[in-house]
Amino acid sequence: DGGITQSPKYLFRKEGQNVTLSCEQNLNHDAMYWYRQDPGQGLRLIYYSQIVNDFQKGDIAEGYSVSREKKESFPLTVTSAQKNPTAFYLCASSIRGIAGGYNEQFFGPGTRLTVL
Amino acid sequence: GQQVMQIPQYQHVQEGEDFTTYCNSSTTLSNIQWYKQRPGGHPVFLIQLVKSGEVKKQKRLTFQFGEAKKNSSLHITATQTTDVGTYFCAFSNQAGTALIFGKGTTLSVSS
Repeated sequence: DGGITQSPKYLFRKEGQNVTLSCEQNLNHDAMYWYRQDPGQGLRLIYYSQIVNDFQKGDIAEGYSVSREKKESFPLTVTSAQKNPTAFYLCASSIRGIAGGYNEQFFGPGTRLTVL
Repeated sequence: GQQVMQIPQYQHVQEGEDFTTYCNSSTTLSNIQWYKQRPGGHPVFLIQLVKSGEVKKQKRLTFQFGEAKKNSSLHITATQTTDVGTYFCAFSNQAGTALIFGKGTTLSVSS
């Protein structure tokens, strides 16, 4: 099956710990994205990557870091610097990146992170 | 930065009633996409509009892009309980490299 996987579905961490959320896609998409969703806030863009070994900050990148060493993978690290890390995190991908135009995004099932 | 206003934030209807959500921008948009997120689920792409005045239909759903390309609407005719969820509009940033999402309209339907 082609798609985007995120694991785990639920994640609990203690305050002050870094945590890495995984995102894997086998759709052969160039572009990948990370969003944060809070109640009533819609989807806010954290980081995005148009191509391997390149990524850009979104609107709320502070306290987060990413890497894009492989086309299929785009892990997100929530660092202890993120003041309010408890949220629902969604990963997405689309066919093309730069100059790719207006491609639909395919979303993973999400990871609900709770920091205690 | 660029943003869109989605209204209403919440809407409750009786099954069989119509429903409309609106997406408004102060600047001209290059495109508009609509997504649906079921409770507990993830957003799923519904449609994309690109042309001024464009209207597209998917069964009971009608999508419109305004003539000035500054607003869009999603209209559901005769809602069903399966229509429950949050509907988001989204548009491409100026570089065409990412989507900017509205805050969504959450629809609940009672039978």
